[in-house]
Amino acid sequence: GDSVTQMEGPVTLSEEAFLTINCTYTATGYPSLFWYVQYPGEGLQLLLKATKADDKGSNKGFEATYRKETTSFHLEKGSVQVSDSAVYFCALSVHDMRFGAGTRLTVKP
Amino acid sequence: NAGVTQTPKFQVLKTGQSMTLQCAQDMNHNSMYWYRQDPGMGLRLIYYSASEGTTDKGEVPNGYNVSRLNKREFSLRLESAAPSQTSVYFCASSEGNRRTGELFFGEGSRLTVL
Repeated sequence: GDSVTQMEGPVTLSEEAFLTINCTYTATGYPSLFWYVQYPGEGLQLLLKATKADDKGSNKGFEATYRKETTSFHLEKGSVQVSDSAVYFCALSVHDMRFGAGTRLTVKP
Repeated sequence: NAGVTQTPKFQVLKTGQSMTLQCAQDMNHNSMYWYRQDPGMGLRLIYYSASEGTTDKGEVPNGYNVSRLNKREFSLRLESAAPSQTSVYFCASSEGNRRTGELFFGEGSRLTVL
């Protein structure tokens, strides 16, 4: 079935470091891909999305490119801030939304 | 700007007790969802509703019932709570059907079953 695998956390970085969170997927058909973010004590909110191969989603300095050849949608940010500390979920949507297990990011000043 | 509102935010139950989680959205969305979030497992869909009066089982429906009361409200009921139902529950809504994404989430309800 459709599924998402993302890198296990937790990930701890210093402020201004480069961030990569890996995400790969398995899907029948042509999925849309998403990154959601969950800040402490809150529900998930959409960070970015891509609906077809080679699309790049971007928001708040985060980027992810839909790579069909490697079935990947890795999340990147060039310079993280303390306020980026959160749990990040990769997700795909074909017939319904399927979420990865989440990766907790902590950014230290 | 309420979005999706869930109540209660916290609840402790004893095994065998019943309770209902309430959810309301003010975005005029057609679709509503209930998910549970467990450590290391991401979010798993319990039930889905495409419109008033219709509901579909998701990945983990056993032990739960739902009611789509009207377009705004979607409740989740545990008839006889079990420790395995200790989790964080999220209600969500979307404008389209489940296929097209973006989901809008409530802040979650943390349930502990002793």
